[in-house]
Amino acid sequence: ETGVTQSPTHLIKTRGQQVTLRCSSQSGHNTVSWYQQALGQGPQFIFQYYREEENGRGNFPPRFSGLQFPNYSSELNVNALELDDSALYLCASRTLAGGGETQYFGPGTRLLVL
Amino acid sequence: DQQVKQNSPSLSVQEGRISILNCDYTNSMFDYFLWYKKYPAEGPTFLISISSIKDKNEDGRFTVFLNKSAKHLSLHIVPSQPGDSAVYFCAARTRGNTPLVFGKGTRLSVIA
Repeated sequence: ETGVTQSPTHLIKTRGQQVTLRCSSQSGHNTVSWYQQALGQGPQFIFQYYREEENGRGNFPPRFSGLQFPNYSSELNVNALELDDSALYLCASRTLAGGGETQYFGPGTRLLVL
Repeated sequence: DQQVKQNSPSLSVQEGRISILNCDYTNSMFDYFLWYKKYPAEGPTFLISISSIKDKNEDGRFTVFLNKSAKHLSLHIVPSQPGDSAVYFCAARTRGNTPLVFGKGTRLSVIA
């Protein structure tokens, strides 16, 4: 039990649609990161939020956007969905207090784009 | 450009024996290394980590070894148990509030 939850667990969308994925982190975890894991690959970093501001971004286009809220929840939004966006989307949180070296992952949302 | 490489996609080990999972990296600025275990339909679960100032860290049946000069780390599981069967990811990051860079994973099968 990592204390990180994600919703929904599964989602099916069609190409061109928009999707919002949600994550709820542990209380006090002020850094949240989103990763995309395609089949047979390791998780790939999308972006990271620290105290509600984006402070790092991977090699993903602007149609991937996010928000972090004061209550330690966050969202990943993807516009104009493409078939290649089909993947497992993982949210991870951590705190910088006391080192906070470890990121704790949620169970993920599996997105299928048809 | 893959900065973290796990060159063995799969590994099969008998129950009770040692499992050794390997990981190589190219970025000399990596400062912290982690191993995660992932079951199907679950998110990655943190196993063990090591800072670049150490060469070994042990936690129960799990030991991680770091060879900075070779840019290589390994995870040893002794003794291996059937419940250890999962995909294992090696991850690394640089100093500060930076994201993790993952390898592609190694699927470990422990056979009873």
